[in-house]
Amino acid sequence: DVVMTQSPLSLPVTLGQPASISCRSSQSLVYSDGNTYLHWFHQRPGQSPRRLIYKVSNRDSGVPDRFSGSGSGTDFTLKISRVEAEDVGIYYCLQGTHWPRTFGQGTKVEIK
Amino acid sequence: QVQVVDSGGGVVQPGRSLRLSCAASGFNFSNYGMEWVRQAPGKGLEWVAVIWYDGSSKYYAESVKGRFTISRDNSRNTLYLQMNSLRVEDTAVYYCARWAGDYWGQGTLVTVSS
Repeated sequence: DVVMTQSPLSLPVTLGQPASISCRSSQSLVYSDGNTYLHWFHQRPGQSPRRLIYKVSNRDSGVPDRFSGSGSGTDFTLKISRVEAEDVGIYYCLQGTHWPRTFGQGTKVEIK
Repeated sequence: QVQVVDSGGGVVQPGRSLRLSCAASGFNFSNYGMEWVRQAPGKGLEWVAVIWYDGSSKYYAESVKGRFTISRDNSRNTLYLQMNSLRVEDTAVYYCARWAGDYWGQGTLVTVSS
């Protein structure tokens, strides 16, 4: 199975400051169709996950533009340009290129 | 609007079976693959299974292969997860999600305990 490794696992941030989460895969996530199926999710306490970013860098509908995704191959990053209070929670990356799909361990974002 | 509603969770003894359901609405269910993801108490997300839009292909996590079966009824807009030979470590909130997780259910709690 493809192992997804996120860092850091805990990220204390100051409101209004940027934040960055890394996600590395044990194999390339480039699929035979040329697409890279790496997605990002956010889960607030007690809620279902919500997808933020699909295929590396595409924001889902309604996702604020302070969220951005980048990367290629095995190295990916989720950035929040200016953290707001509602951004607390756990962020997960998910690879959809290889079966079975696999999630990263999660990165807990909290306000300092 | 798109909605997926999970149900069927409960408390069950080890070795017993349970079937989860996921009712979909607000989109053409028969056009989309569907997935199950679970989350053990206090833990991260674990992908469980996927089924193609027409049921022609299915994939499972190694941890559930041979014990769980994903299926769908496109005439009823419903996704299922048949869970057999349940283990204590299967205790989790189970979420159904549309293909690649763009919409999720609210989750249903399965507790396996004697």
